[in-house]
Amino acid sequence: DVKVTQSSRYLVKRTGEKVFLECVQDMDHENMFWYRQDPGLGLRLIYFSYDVKMKEKGDIPEGYSVSREKKERFSLILESASTNQTSMYLCASSGTGDTPYFGPGTRLTVT
Amino acid sequence: QKEVEQDPGPLSVPEGAIVSLNCTYSNSAFQYFMWYRQYSRKGPELLMYTYSSGNKEDGRFTAQVDKSSKYISLFIRDSQPSDSATYLCAMSYSGSARQLTFGSGTQLTVLP
Repeated sequence: DVKVTQSSRYLVKRTGEKVFLECVQDMDHENMFWYRQDPGLGLRLIYFSYDVKMKEKGDIPEGYSVSREKKERFSLILESASTNQTSMYLCASSGTGDTPYFGPGTRLTVT
Repeated sequence: QKEVEQDPGPLSVPEGAIVSLNCTYSNSAFQYFMWYRQYSRKGPELLMYTYSSGNKEDGRFTAQVDKSSKYISLFIRDSQPSDSATYLCAMSYSGSARQLTFGSGTQLTVLP
């Protein structure tokens, strides 16, 4: 079974803080993704990585950066958290040609 | 206009009912169609995957694609309380996970 784990289920941060969300997958997948999920808007892709140190902007990359130093780990960074980044963040991974497998999500609240 | 439209519900049905969940889309290039199920406080999990038009059946679940109408459906027969979840449609033109476009999800409750 593919397992995608995320470091935190719930996070509360203050405006302006630097926030790290960590994701680890155990299936040697090439591709990893960060999405955010908001009511009425569905899942929106923030960033995508197709290999170690390789990344591609998704549909809503503004205010976010990512890091992939090892194949199994993909981090999402909010350089200066803002209240409009309060959301559910979902990490996913996939092999070539596969559909993504999702982690359990991190519900981030920025106050 | 969104590329993929999905009625958010909520939808409540009695146990044993047939459930129909639907998405419409505007991009005629979409060829790969998926349904994900998302339980509360969990990540989405793939339920059904179809390519191009036609039907696909898996147990109590049937996925249907009508490309001429740009309309996809998920039918759940003999619905169970354990089917209570949010159902997300997703689609892409390339089969690449990078190009997936998701609907906003329909919240379903099956009442015992």
